[in-house]
Amino acid sequence: AAGVIQSPRHLIKEKRETATLKCYPIPRHDTVYWYQQGPGQDPQFLISFYEKMQSDKGSIPDRFSAQQFSDYHSELNMSSLELGDSALYFCASSLVLAGSRGGYEQFFGPGTRLTVL
Amino acid sequence: GDSVTQMEGPVTLSEEAFLTINCTYTATGYPSLFWYVQYPGEGLQLLLKATKADDKGSNKGFEATYRKETTSFHLEKGSVQVSDSAVYFCALPTSNTGKLIFGQGTTLQVKP
Repeated sequence: AAGVIQSPRHLIKEKRETATLKCYPIPRHDTVYWYQQGPGQDPQFLISFYEKMQSDKGSIPDRFSAQQFSDYHSELNMSSLELGDSALYFCASSLVLAGSRGGYEQFFGPGTRLTVL
Repeated sequence: GDSVTQMEGPVTLSEEAFLTINCTYTATGYPSLFWYVQYPGEGLQLLLKATKADDKGSNKGFEATYRKETTSFHLEKGSVQVSDSAVYFCALPTSNTGKLIFGQGTTLQVKP
């Protein structure tokens, strides 16, 4: 079965550089979530999109932006990178907006490991 | 606000031992509850879920029961294997948008 695809899998950048992470959700899934997982930490929600519109926002720095395109893939753009941005970035997709906090599960991609030097 | 608390790790067990990882939550209403597993170097995989009180989720020998009265969703397995070594996260959706909040994760190491 098709899974969530993330690219690149690994990315090394210098401080103050820019990075773009891409996420391709499972076909027909209309909701995409982005999470950041620091070393030894639990994943922290960054931002989500439903039908190409931002649906929720978490602890995402102003230096980061994201969007969902017409084909439902999403990109997370990160500028002025800092050492503290080094983390594993996960994208997850789900079939419908999980209204009423229902049981629609999120399917996670393998993550992009970003290292900022 | 909503929160998830997991027992601290790491948990080290011998093969075939019984496993319990505690998870308690604070939330408004009755959200679905999830256990995710993260194997070394990999992403998060849904292990099991429960959508309402008294539901029991199960998968690959793991079980967890949604206990409304104790606001708990403890993960159990009767006989662990070396291949179960991973980090386990308890999670719940915190709003109508479905964003997940996770517990701090519990590292399980199973020795032969």
